[in-house]
Amino acid sequence: QSALTQPRSVSGSPGQSVTISCTGTSNDVGDYDYVSWYQQHPGKAPKLLIYDVTERPSGVPDRFSGSKSGNTASLTISGLQAEDEADYYCCSYEGRYSYVFGAGTQVTVL
Amino acid sequence: QVTLKESGPALVRPTQTLTLTCTFSGFSLSTTKMHVTWIRQPPGKALEWLARIDWDDDKFYSTSLRTRLTISKDTSKNQVVLTMTNMDPADTATYYCARISPTSWYYFDYWGRGTLVTVSS
Repeated sequence: QSALTQPRSVSGSPGQSVTISCTGTSNDVGDYDYVSWYQQHPGKAPKLLIYDVTERPSGVPDRFSGSKSGNTASLTISGLQAEDEADYYCCSYEGRYSYVFGAGTQVTVL
Repeated sequence: QVTLKESGPALVRPTQTLTLTCTFSGFSLSTTKMHVTWIRQPPGKALEWLARIDWDDDKFYSTSLRTRLTISKDTSKNQVVLTMTNMDPADTATYYCARISPTSWYYFDYWGRGTLVTVSS
Protein backbone atom coordinates (compact mmCIF):
# COMPACT_ATOMS: atom_id res chain seq x y z
CA GLN A 1 0.00 0.00 0.00
CA SER A 2 2.61 2.62 -1.10
CA ALA A 3 1.37 6.10 -1.90
CA LEU A 4 0.79 6.96 -5.54
CA THR A 5 3.45 9.24 -7.00
CA GLN A 6 2.52 12.82 -7.84
CA PRO A 7 4.74 15.80 -8.60
CA ARG A 8 5.11 17.99 -5.56
CA SER A 9 4.13 21.12 -7.46
CA VAL A 10 3.09 22.44 -10.86
CA SER A 11 2.45 25.98 -11.97
CA GLY A 12 0.97 27.89 -14.86
CA SER A 13 -0.27 31.29 -15.91
CA PRO A 14 -3.97 32.13 -16.10
CA GLY A 15 -5.49 30.62 -19.22
CA GLN A 16 -2.78 27.98 -19.62
CA SER A 17 -3.22 24.26 -19.16
CA VAL A 18 -1.47 22.18 -16.53
CA THR A 19 -1.38 18.42 -16.13
CA ILE A 20 -0.79 16.51 -12.91
CA SER A 21 0.38 12.93 -13.14
CA CYS A 22 -0.40 10.15 -10.70
CA THR A 23 1.71 7.01 -11.05
CA GLY A 24 0.85 3.75 -9.37
CA THR A 25 1.35 0.09 -10.17
CA SER A 26 -0.36 -2.74 -11.99
CA ASN A 27 -2.07 -3.54 -8.68
CA ASP A 28 -3.92 -0.25 -8.39
CA VAL A 29 -4.03 2.43 -11.13
CA GLY A 30 -3.13 -0.09 -13.83
CA ASP A 31 -5.69 -2.67 -12.71
CA TYR A 32 -8.79 -0.60 -12.02
CA ASP A 33 -10.60 2.23 -13.79
CA TYR A 34 -11.38 3.68 -10.37
CA VAL A 35 -9.11 6.70 -10.12
CA SER A 36 -10.52 9.81 -8.49
CA TRP A 37 -9.15 13.31 -7.99
CA TYR A 38 -9.73 15.78 -5.17
CA GLN A 39 -9.09 19.50 -4.81
CA GLN A 40 -8.27 20.97 -1.43
CA HIS A 41 -7.98 24.64 -0.60
CA PRO A 42 -6.18 25.54 2.67
CA GLY A 43 -8.29 24.80 5.71
CA LYS A 44 -11.10 23.36 3.61
CA ALA A 45 -12.47 19.88 3.09
CA PRO A 46 -11.28 18.02 -0.01
CA LYS A 47 -13.68 18.28 -2.93
CA LEU A 48 -14.31 15.57 -5.50
CA LEU A 49 -13.29 16.66 -9.01
CA ILE A 50 -13.07 13.46 -11.07
CA TYR A 51 -14.16 9.87 -10.48
CA ASP A 52 -13.85 6.65 -12.45
CA VAL A 53 -10.81 8.16 -14.27
CA THR A 54 -12.77 10.55 -16.52
CA GLU A 55 -16.16 11.34 -14.97
CA ARG A 56 -17.00 14.77 -13.57
CA PRO A 57 -19.62 15.24 -10.84
CA SER A 58 -22.28 17.81 -11.59
CA GLY A 59 -21.07 21.29 -10.77
CA VAL A 60 -17.41 20.67 -11.58
CA PRO A 61 -16.30 22.83 -14.53
CA ASP A 62 -15.46 20.99 -17.74
CA ARG A 63 -11.98 22.50 -17.76
CA PHE A 64 -11.09 19.72 -15.32
CA SER A 65 -10.53 16.44 -17.12
CA GLY A 66 -9.03 13.08 -16.29
CA SER A 67 -7.33 10.31 -18.24
CA LYS A 68 -5.30 7.18 -17.72
CA SER A 69 -2.63 5.27 -19.57
CA GLY A 70 -1.20 2.12 -18.09
CA ASN A 71 -0.17 2.72 -14.50
CA THR A 72 -0.40 6.51 -14.75
CA ALA A 73 -3.48 8.67 -14.39
CA SER A 74 -3.56 12.38 -15.16
CA LEU A 75 -5.61 15.41 -14.26
CA THR A 76 -5.60 18.31 -16.70
CA ILE A 77 -6.78 21.78 -15.83
CA SER A 78 -7.46 23.77 -18.99
CA GLY A 79 -7.84 27.53 -18.93
CA LEU A 80 -6.23 27.85 -15.51
CA GLN A 81 -7.95 30.30 -13.18
CA ALA A 82 -6.83 31.96 -9.97
CA GLU A 83 -9.30 29.93 -7.91
CA ASP A 84 -7.66 26.72 -9.13
CA GLU A 85 -4.68 27.39 -6.88
CA ALA A 86 -4.97 24.50 -4.41
CA ASP A 87 -3.64 21.07 -3.55
CA TYR A 88 -4.75 18.14 -5.70
CA TYR A 89 -4.80 14.47 -4.67
CA CYS A 90 -5.36 11.35 -6.72
CA CYS A 91 -6.77 8.13 -5.32
CA SER A 92 -7.08 4.62 -6.71
CA TYR A 93 -8.98 1.56 -5.60
CA GLU A 94 -6.46 -1.23 -5.03
CA GLY A 95 -8.75 -4.17 -4.48
CA ARG A 96 -9.85 -5.98 -1.33
CA TYR A 97 -11.91 -2.97 -0.24
CA SER A 98 -8.82 -0.78 0.06
CA TYR A 99 -7.80 2.57 -1.40
CA VAL A 100 -4.47 4.31 -1.95
CA PHE A 101 -3.83 8.04 -2.32
CA GLY A 102 -1.17 10.19 -3.90
CA ALA A 103 0.99 12.51 -1.83
CA GLY A 104 -0.59 15.57 -3.38
CA THR A 105 0.39 18.28 -5.85
CA GLN A 106 0.35 21.98 -5.15
CA VAL A 107 -0.90 24.00 -8.12
CA THR A 108 0.28 27.60 -8.30
CA VAL A 109 -1.28 30.14 -10.63
CA LEU A 110 1.45 32.59 -11.61
CA GLN B 1 -27.29 18.85 1.64
CA VAL B 2 -24.68 16.33 2.75
CA THR B 3 -22.32 17.42 5.52
CA LEU B 4 -19.87 15.57 7.74
CA LYS B 5 -18.02 16.82 10.79
CA GLU B 6 -15.28 15.17 12.78
CA SER B 7 -14.85 15.61 16.52
CA GLY B 8 -12.45 14.29 19.11
CA PRO B 9 -9.46 15.19 21.24
CA ALA B 10 -6.81 17.47 19.81
CA LEU B 11 -4.11 15.88 21.96
CA VAL B 12 -3.58 12.30 23.04
CA ARG B 13 -0.72 10.73 24.95
CA PRO B 14 1.36 7.89 23.54
CA THR B 15 -0.15 4.44 24.21
CA GLN B 16 -3.62 5.93 24.75
CA THR B 17 -6.68 5.07 22.68
CA LEU B 18 -8.07 7.68 20.31
CA THR B 19 -11.81 7.95 19.80
CA LEU B 20 -13.12 10.07 16.94
CA THR B 21 -16.72 10.74 16.02
CA CYS B 22 -18.07 11.63 12.61
CA THR B 23 -21.49 13.29 12.75
CA PHE B 24 -23.20 13.57 9.41
CA SER B 25 -26.40 14.86 7.87
CA GLY B 26 -28.14 14.70 4.52
CA PHE B 27 -28.14 10.91 4.31
CA SER B 28 -28.73 7.87 6.48
CA LEU B 29 -26.44 4.94 7.06
CA SER B 30 -29.49 2.74 7.27
CA THR B 31 -30.09 3.33 3.55
CA THR B 32 -28.92 0.58 1.23
CA LYS B 33 -25.47 1.13 -0.30
CA MET B 34 -24.45 3.95 2.01
CA HIS B 35 -20.88 3.85 3.33
CA VAL B 36 -18.73 6.11 5.51
CA THR B 37 -14.98 6.03 5.69
CA TRP B 38 -12.06 7.50 7.66
CA ILE B 39 -8.93 8.90 6.06
CA ARG B 40 -5.96 10.62 7.68
CA GLN B 41 -3.12 12.89 6.61
CA PRO B 42 0.05 13.37 8.63
CA PRO B 43 1.49 16.87 8.30
CA GLY B 44 3.12 17.25 4.90
CA LYS B 45 2.40 13.65 3.93
CA ALA B 46 0.01 11.65 1.80
CA LEU B 47 -3.57 10.88 2.58
CA GLU B 48 -4.04 7.38 4.00
CA TRP B 49 -7.26 5.39 3.94
CA LEU B 50 -8.08 3.84 7.31
CA ALA B 51 -11.46 2.14 7.54
CA ARG B 52 -14.94 1.89 6.11
CA ILE B 53 -18.37 0.91 7.42
CA ASP B 54 -21.36 0.03 5.28
CA TRP B 55 -25.12 0.34 5.69
CA ASP B 56 -25.32 -3.39 6.48
CA ASP B 57 -22.59 -3.06 9.17
CA ASP B 58 -19.88 -4.61 7.02
CA LYS B 59 -16.51 -3.20 8.10
CA PHE B 60 -13.21 -2.97 6.25
CA TYR B 61 -9.81 -1.86 7.51
CA SER B 62 -6.43 -0.80 6.22
CA THR B 63 -4.22 -3.89 6.20
CA SER B 64 -1.40 -2.08 7.97
CA LEU B 65 -3.59 -0.73 10.80
CA ARG B 66 -6.20 -3.47 11.07
CA THR B 67 -5.17 -4.63 14.54
CA ARG B 68 -5.49 -1.12 16.02
CA LEU B 69 -8.72 0.14 14.44
CA THR B 70 -12.38 -0.35 15.21
CA ILE B 71 -15.15 1.37 13.30
CA SER B 72 -18.77 1.42 14.40
CA LYS B 73 -21.98 3.29 13.70
CA ASP B 74 -24.96 4.67 15.57
CA THR B 75 -27.60 5.02 12.91
CA SER B 76 -30.07 6.75 15.23
CA LYS B 77 -27.53 9.53 15.89
CA ASN B 78 -26.12 9.68 12.35
CA GLN B 79 -22.67 9.02 13.73
CA VAL B 80 -19.69 6.85 12.90
CA VAL B 81 -17.01 6.26 15.52
CA LEU B 82 -13.40 5.28 14.92
CA THR B 83 -11.15 4.07 17.69
CA MET B 84 -7.42 3.62 17.31
CA THR B 85 -5.46 1.93 20.07
CA ASN B 86 -1.87 2.33 21.21
CA MET B 87 -1.38 5.79 19.75
CA ASP B 88 2.12 6.83 18.71
CA PRO B 89 3.60 10.20 17.67
CA ALA B 90 3.63 8.82 14.10
CA ASP B 91 -0.18 8.84 14.28
CA THR B 92 -0.21 12.64 14.48
CA ALA B 93 -2.42 13.67 11.59
CA THR B 94 -5.56 15.37 10.42
CA TYR B 95 -8.33 12.78 10.48
CA TYR B 96 -11.14 13.07 7.95
CA CYS B 97 -14.40 11.27 7.60
CA ALA B 98 -16.02 11.04 4.20
CA ARG B 99 -18.97 9.47 2.49
CA ILE B 100 -18.30 6.86 -0.15
CA SER B 101 -20.51 7.38 -3.14
CA PRO B 102 -23.68 5.28 -2.80
CA THR B 103 -23.57 4.58 -6.56
CA SER B 104 -20.01 3.28 -6.42
CA TRP B 105 -17.62 2.02 -3.77
CA TYR B 106 -14.72 3.70 -5.45
CA TYR B 107 -14.69 7.38 -4.58
CA PHE B 108 -15.47 9.78 -1.78
CA ASP B 109 -18.12 12.30 -2.73
CA TYR B 110 -18.33 14.37 0.47
CA TRP B 111 -15.69 15.05 3.09
CA GLY B 112 -15.55 16.69 6.47
CA ARG B 113 -13.04 19.43 7.17
CA GLY B 114 -10.96 17.17 9.35
CA THR B 115 -9.72 17.26 12.91
CA LEU B 116 -6.04 17.52 13.84
CA VAL B 117 -4.87 14.99 16.41
CA THR B 118 -1.44 15.40 17.95
CA VAL B 119 0.17 12.53 19.81
CA SER B 120 2.65 13.76 22.35
CA SER B 121 3.63 13.24 25.94
